[in-house]
Amino acid sequence: QVQLQQWGAGLLKSSETLSLTCAVYGGSFSGYFWGWIRQPPGKGLEWIGDIDHTGTANYNPSLKSRVTISVDTSKTQFSLKLSSVTAADTAVYYCARSRVSGVDNWGQGTLVTVSS
Amino acid sequence: EIVLTQSPATLSLSPGERATLSCRASQSVSRYLAWYRQKPGQAPRLLIYDASNRATGIPARFSGSGSGTDFTLTISSLEPEDFAVYYCQQRSNWPLTFGGGTKVEIK
Repeated sequence: QVQLQQWGAGLLKSSETLSLTCAVYGGSFSGYFWGWIRQPPGKGLEWIGDIDHTGTANYNPSLKSRVTISVDTSKTQFSLKLSSVTAADTAVYYCARSRVSGVDNWGQGTLVTVSS
Repeated sequence: EIVLTQSPATLSLSPGERATLSCRASQSVSRYLAWYRQKPGQAPRLLIYDASNRATGIPARFSGSGSGTDFTLTISSLEPEDFAVYYCQQRSNWPLTFGGGTKVEIK
């Protein structure tokens, strides 16, 4: 049974860098994409990007200039960095396991609030 | 970017009733469409992938259909836990995108 456990700072100021990490417990780390998805309070879901075990990453063009997703296969962890945050980046951030069929495992979510 | 439009925004039904949710894509996504259910305070859960395949552990009351640009999620008989928000998501083109959601509420 795969479990995703995520952590990171929940309160940031404008212009700071958001940093979250997700650890994968159980199951294989290869053969999947490991992604980040966010959800502003009361709103819908937005795909931020994902990465595979080789380090091949895909980013949403709307965020690409500010996003870096990295992977540490030795620790079966992957991380998200989003620079120059503003209030518009306030959201619940989820880490997730993505297969060809869809996102079949999610982290517990982290509410990140950006204050001015 | 492929835009997914879900309708209706809100569906008011009673337990035991049939729910029909729609997802329309701005261009063809073939059958590369998934459906998720999100309960309050929880992460979404995968229900349907590739338009009509139920994910592991998903009960038979959930079914999906469609291809190209028009898709439907049907819940044959609503259970209490089905009153939630439903999202469609396409994996045909990058960036992967989600629809805006349909809220199924108790009438």
